[in-house]
Amino acid sequence: AQSVTQPDIHITVSEGASLELRCNYSYGATPYLFWYVQSPGQGLQLLLKYFSGDTLVQGIKGFEAEFKRSQSSFNLRKPSVHWSDAAEYFCAVGAREYGNKLVFGAGTILRVKS
Amino acid sequence: DADVTQTPRNRITKTGKRIMLECSQTKGHDRMYWYRQDPGLGLRLIYYSFDVKDINKGEISDGYSVSRQAQAKFSLSLESAIPNQTALYFCATSDSGTVNTEAFFGQGTRLTVV
Repeated sequence: AQSVTQPDIHITVSEGASLELRCNYSYGATPYLFWYVQSPGQGLQLLLKYFSGDTLVQGIKGFEAEFKRSQSSFNLRKPSVHWSDAAEYFCAVGAREYGNKLVFGAGTILRVKS
Repeated sequence: DADVTQTPRNRITKTGKRIMLECSQTKGHDRMYWYRQDPGLGLRLIYYSFDVKDINKGEISDGYSVSRQAQAKFSLSLESAIPNQTALYFCATSDSGTVNTEAFFGQGTRLTVV
């Protein structure tokens, strides 16, 4: 069965500082990996996804993530955080053999201080 | 108009009442999902449907039922609502015929059971 762990429940960074949100997954084969963002009172917006190929993927809003098979990780990064990045971030894993059903991590709440 | 529309957006209901949450989509996708979001738990899958005649239980289906009235419509029912079903509910869709597809989410329905 698939599972996703986001070890950090809350993270606070200063505006302009770099950001890394951690995500570890458990799945036997190569999974599909996603990062979604949820702003307060909003639905989920896809930031980026990994299916195959280049292990460093670029997303919207200046985010990127790197798939590391050896570490079963898919960490999200941004070089310089903006106040508008404050939101909750979810890592999710899916697989074609599971009908692309997504399993989500518990989420990481990002606070940005000015 | 949103591609995935959920109604109502907010609902307060009493314990023991029957309630239906509706989801419609204009993306032409064949697969639809219902998730619930609870703080600290991320999103958990309630039910999913791969086509009109295919309904499957997710990890937390007890106390819920669904109906796929058409390819574009997927409703979630709580036959007898209880307070621990208070949560944010999301409908999502995906396309089985597209490589590298992700799930597209509605804006969510905030349900409070008192």
